[in-house]
Amino acid sequence: TQLLEQSPQFLSIQEGENLTVYCNSSSVFSSLQWYRQEPGEGPVLLVTVVTGGEVKKLKRLTFQFGDARKDSSLHITAAQPGDTGLYLCAGARGQNFVFGPGTRLSVLP
Amino acid sequence: EPEVTQTPSHQVTQMGQEVILRCVPISNHLYFYWYRQILGQKVEFLVSFYNNEISEKSEIFDDQFSVERPDGSNFTLKIRSTKLEDSAMYFCASSGTGGAYNGYTFGSGTRLTVV
Repeated sequence: TQLLEQSPQFLSIQEGENLTVYCNSSSVFSSLQWYRQEPGEGPVLLVTVVTGGEVKKLKRLTFQFGDARKDSSLHITAAQPGDTGLYLCAGARGQNFVFGPGTRLSVLP
Repeated sequence: EPEVTQTPSHQVTQMGQEVILRCVPISNHLYFYWYRQILGQKVEFLVSFYNNEISEKSEIFDDQFSVERPDGSNFTLKIRSTKLEDSAMYFCASSGTGGAYNGYTFGSGTRLTVV
């Protein structure tokens, strides 16, 4: 069974701080996606990473895929209240993706 | 921006009743999915659908569940005899060429409450 773990489970920070959240597995994934989910809404795709060691940037968000393609990190610089949400990673399993439990981020003004 | 539309947004049903959750995927997408999220838990894969047939399903998707694409635009999930543990947020998603590897576009979900 390909399980994804995410840490921390909850994170509450002040506006302007930097943070990193992690997605880990004992399994190798051919690709991995990050989503953000807001209350009452479906997850929204942020990025897909495919190559081991790959780094992608999306404004203040930096995503890295581990060299062994078993883990990934999401770093947010100068967090803003609009970054508040549940951050989910999802690893490819067959033709579909399996989701981690998420990191719930709260950015306080 | 194109979006996936789900109806109803909320559904309350009695245990044992049948429910049909409806979805209109993005019009030029080819792959369709149902996921569910029990309150406070993970987003769980139920089923994927391509070329008018199920391409993959999880162990959750048992004989009580079925999917259908009755016309060119709708994609439905039917639960034949609901159980209390079916209470969850059900998300429809679609993806274009390349399938899930290019990312899912999720709808806003249907909150199903079985009483």
